[in-house]
Amino acid sequence: DAGVTQSPTHLIKTRGQQVTLRCSPKSGHDTVSWYQQALGQGPQFIFQYYEEEERQRGNFPDRFSGHQFPNYSSELNVNALLLGDSALYLCASSLQGARRAFFGQGTRLTVV
Amino acid sequence: AQSVTQLDSHVSVSEGTPVLLRCNYSSSYSPSLFWYVQHPNKGLQLLLKYTSAATLVKGINGFEAEFKKSETSFHLTKPSAHMSDAAEYFCVVKNNNAGNMLTFGGGTRLMVKP
Repeated sequence: DAGVTQSPTHLIKTRGQQVTLRCSPKSGHDTVSWYQQALGQGPQFIFQYYEEEERQRGNFPDRFSGHQFPNYSSELNVNALLLGDSALYLCASSLQGARRAFFGQGTRLTVV
Repeated sequence: AQSVTQLDSHVSVSEGTPVLLRCNYSSSYSPSLFWYVQHPNKGLQLLLKYTSAATLVKGINGFEAEFKKSETSFHLTKPSAHMSDAAEYFCVVKNNNAGNMLTFGGGTRLMVKP
């Protein structure tokens, strides 16, 4: 049983570009959340998807958007990249209402 | 609103000595509390969780945490540190009335000296 898988593992982009990160949840999970972890800090909640809709959102600008597909997988899109968007992006999956989330190993995004 | 404060950004112990990582939380509602560990270049692994059952929670690898509501604390302990415990540790709070959003503390880097 595969856990949470994220792709790609590493990515380098230029300021102003757009990026798409992907996440496949753990088998049987229907809820996907995305987190941004800047260097030396704890992860910060970006948003959560359930039933293909954004259900909850953290304090991130509209440049950050997402999508959930019928198979529960999810994408995180970031437009107009800034140097400050460089971070480890973590995907977490869970069952709606469950108390435990499972994390992927993350995608490390570097913006130059 | 909810928040987590990890009182030490770095903790250094000798192998075989006790570990104490301190965490204070704030939550408007009855929270669930977690400790996660992050080894370099690896994902977050759940060590233990408190979900309103027993206040003393036992986790993996010999770690424990005690929920103290009066002190709003959830400190992580281990009787004897191993070299393999060296990692970043995160205290996390989840407001059970506000979806699945997790709020992380800033992290504590545990260093274990031989």
